[in-house]
Amino acid sequence: EVQLVETGGGLVQPGKSLKLTCATSGFTFSTAWMHWVRQSPEKRLEWIARIKDKSNNYATDYVESVKGRFTISRDDSKSSVYLQMNSLKEEDTATYYCSVYYGSYWGQGVMVTVSS
Amino acid sequence: DIVLTQAPLSVSVTPGESASISCRSSKSLLSSKGITSLYWYLQKPGKSPQLLIYRMSNLASGVPDRFSGSGSETDFTLKISKVETEDVGVYYCAQFLEYPNTFGAGTKLELK
Repeated sequence: EVQLVETGGGLVQPGKSLKLTCATSGFTFSTAWMHWVRQSPEKRLEWIARIKDKSNNYATDYVESVKGRFTISRDDSKSSVYLQMNSLKEEDTATYYCSVYYGSYWGQGVMVTVSS
Repeated sequence: DIVLTQAPLSVSVTPGESASISCRSSKSLLSSKGITSLYWYLQKPGKSPQLLIYRMSNLASGVPDRFSGSGSETDFTLKISKVETEDVGVYYCAQFLEYPNTFGAGTKLELK
């Protein structure tokens, strides 16, 4: 059974940092391209980052609104993908999901609230 | 960025009747490999999105055949025949042709 479990969310002040973790199991993580998607309080879905596998040099892509602030990374030995979020803004408030295989599988999501 | 426009934003359906949701893309989603990279998801209340249709018209594993997807290079339709109570939620289309991947705004399906 495929499982994706996000952790690391919470309440953080603007300008601060937070790191999300997505621990996975049930599929061949090392060859999978992993994605982070967020959902705003208004329920808008926004794809934010993707990391390819080792054979594709772990190439990354980001949506413009998070470039330079967010970093996606992975640890194949732990079957985990991460999202380092720096310089957080109030508009980053959302539920963050990791997903794989064109959204065939999603985690349960983790809430991030950026507020002073 | 590719913009996906869904219509309607909400639909109310009598159980047993059919419903259709439209998704229009600002750019052709047909790749050079002949694949149309349009996907449909359903997010049930309080749950994560679940994949319904991939590559415009292919039914995802475990999805009832009451769901079907069709379209052209820029205009797409999700049809639900004989709507059931478990179909309530928000439906999203998404494109994976190019980055950034993008989603439609969602269509809320309710029962009459």
